[in-house]
Amino acid sequence: EDKVVQSPLSLVVHEGDTVTLNCSYEVTNFRSLLWYKQEKKAPTFLFMLTSSGIEKKSGRLSSILDKKELFSILNITATQTGDSAVYLCAVDQSGTYKYIFGTGTRLKVLA
Amino acid sequence: GAVVSQHPSRVICKSGTSVKIECRSLDFQATTMFWYRQFPKKSLMLMATSNEGSKATYEQGVEKDKFLINHASLTLSTLTVTSAHPEDSSFYICSALHTGTLSYEQYFGPGTRLTVT
Repeated sequence: EDKVVQSPLSLVVHEGDTVTLNCSYEVTNFRSLLWYKQEKKAPTFLFMLTSSGIEKKSGRLSSILDKKELFSILNITATQTGDSAVYLCAVDQSGTYKYIFGTGTRLKVLA
Repeated sequence: GAVVSQHPSRVICKSGTSVKIECRSLDFQATTMFWYRQFPKKSLMLMATSNEGSKATYEQGVEKDKFLINHASLTLSTLTVTSAHPEDSSFYICSALHTGTLSYEQYFGPGTRLTVT
């Protein structure tokens, strides 16, 4: 059965801390892995990763994929209270256009 | 980036009534749209794939007679929750598939919060 698992399920940190969120997957016909940030509404896109070992970066956020070990990490440095959200990882299955979402990591950043 | 809208953003209805949720791709045509459901503090669960001009494909465990999907045009898919019950209360999110020459991506709508009393 295809699955995407994220860890930790929740995390509380203080402003300025660095966090690492994990996403592991077992999905047939892997095409890409995506990271989203969800606050009150629908998910907003962060990164799409298709190749191993190539870091994608956007400001304080970065992400990398390991297709051999079947996982990805999302790093957030110098966290701010505005980073508080649920971070979702999804795997795109080639041929179906479907995204399989992980359980999500709920991040809370305290001032 | 591509824009997808949903209407209504929030709806409260009485048990036994039906509710229709619209999903529109505003600046591109989408032959495929997806409907997700999200329970509080849970992840997105794919309910069905909506295909323009043909029947929707439902995921295992999703009642097709309960959740009617119509994709009558390239920019509009609708989800109707029939004979709604309190356990149908949830956050419903749609996405529209944007296809390019070499790639594709799902763009998400803002979601509809349904409360059944």
